Amino acid sequence: SQTIHQWPATLVQPVGSPLSLECTVEGTSNPNLYWYRQAAGRGLQLLFYSVGIGQISSEVPQNLSASRPQDRQFILSSKKLLLSDSGFYLCACQTSGINNEQFFGPGTRLTVL
Amino acid sequence: SQQGEEDPQALSIQEGENATMNCSYKTSINNLQWYRQNSGRGLVHLILIRSNEREKHSGRLRVTLDTSKKSSSLLITASRAADTASYFCATDASDSWGKFQFGAGTQVVVTP
Repeated sequence: SQTIHQWPATLVQPVGSPLSLECTVEGTSNPNLYWYRQAAGRGLQLLFYSVGIGQISSEVPQNLSASRPQDRQFILSSKKLLLSDSGFYLCACQTSGINNEQFFGPGTRLTVL
Repeated sequence: SQQGEEDPQALSIQEGENATMNCSYKTSINNLQWYRQNSGRGLVHLILIRSNEREKHSGRLRVTLDTSKKSSSLLITASRAADTASYFCATDASDSWGKFQFGAGTQVVVTP
């Protein structure tokens, strides 16, 4: 079964600083990969998803970008963080194919001050 | 707006009681999944139910799906304190496969 790693677990960054969050997946190949953001006490908002290396789809306009340099690596970035970028960022993986479960990593708690 | 909407938003019960929460959605789906999230943690996958299925069981969990009403329910029987968590439904819409839409969740508190 898949294992999803995310790091760092927590991060405190000043406004205007850059961001790089990393997600790596083990135990599967050619997965669909996802970045979500969760505000406190809320549901998940899909930010980006990728069906393959170099293929990124953005769901909402924002201050963030994503890249997939390798099959099982998904990176979330920003050049200049905003206060509103604070939240809990979750990476998820789905084995390609219809009706497959989506599995989540442990998340990164980002606080922008 | 979000595809999946859970209700109630919060539920407080005692150990041994059953907990039922509902999820409604707007468009046709391939499947619907339920997840649990403990405070500050990642989501744990509970059950996936396909659009051609009406009911699934997993241990103390029972999920139903009514595609005519575009709704699903999650029942936790004989609840335990360890079931305290937020529960989310996520839908995989037929016209946007692989893009899951999550509801805001139901926060369940089980008191001993």
